[in-house]
Amino acid sequence: DAKTTQPPSMDCAEGRAANLPCNHSTISGNEYVYWYRQIHSQGPQYIIHGLKNNETNEMASLIITEDRKSSTLILPHATLRDTAVYYCIGKAAGNKLTFGGGTRVLVKP
Amino acid sequence: GAVVSQHPSWVICKSGTSVKIECRSLDFQATTMFWYRQFPKQSLMLMATSNEGSKATYEQGVEKDKFLINHASLTLSTLTVTSAHPEDSSFYICSALSGAYQETQYFGPGTRLLVL
Repeated sequence: DAKTTQPPSMDCAEGRAANLPCNHSTISGNEYVYWYRQIHSQGPQYIIHGLKNNETNEMASLIITEDRKSSTLILPHATLRDTAVYYCIGKAAGNKLTFGGGTRVLVKP
Repeated sequence: GAVVSQHPSWVICKSGTSVKIECRSLDFQATTMFWYRQFPKQSLMLMATSNEGSKATYEQGVEKDKFLINHASLTLSTLTVTSAHPEDSSFYICSALSGAYQETQYFGPGTRLLVL
């Protein structure tokens, strides 16, 4: 599966959009980009995933560059409850999820 | 939809005893479930893949005789930590694979195990 690179941490202002970057320059054509988050002492929560088109759901938007070497997760209006570790994972169907270090996001009032 | 539960949410036991953790997919069937372990300030590490009706597949370095996995039905997988020791104290998390949605994994809330 593709190796992903994320910044270790970032701060966001409550009420503003949070843009979380992820580099996956070695991603192959059949690998999806998955985003999960883990709030302290809880199991990871699925956010969104995509292959090459941009995706949006009730939680977030996923913007994937045309060359698929990077993507951005957008939380449109960050709240204090969005404070968590966010994981970007490249995975082909049928393969296992491999969690890296993720980005520790702190939403500040 | 896609809810996964775990029981118990936390457990304290004496060294040498065995502990069973249940993982259930509540609103979908899962032929494949996964068990992870997470130590403080670390990321999740996959322990094993649990397949309904067949033996589990363990990751390198995970003792299959110590961490017994049974996937008895399409909605239930169990992890038994046998002869638990203090170094087994950790946060155990399961996930279930939903084939209905491009094979997305949904995670349980986790079970915190403390071995005294």
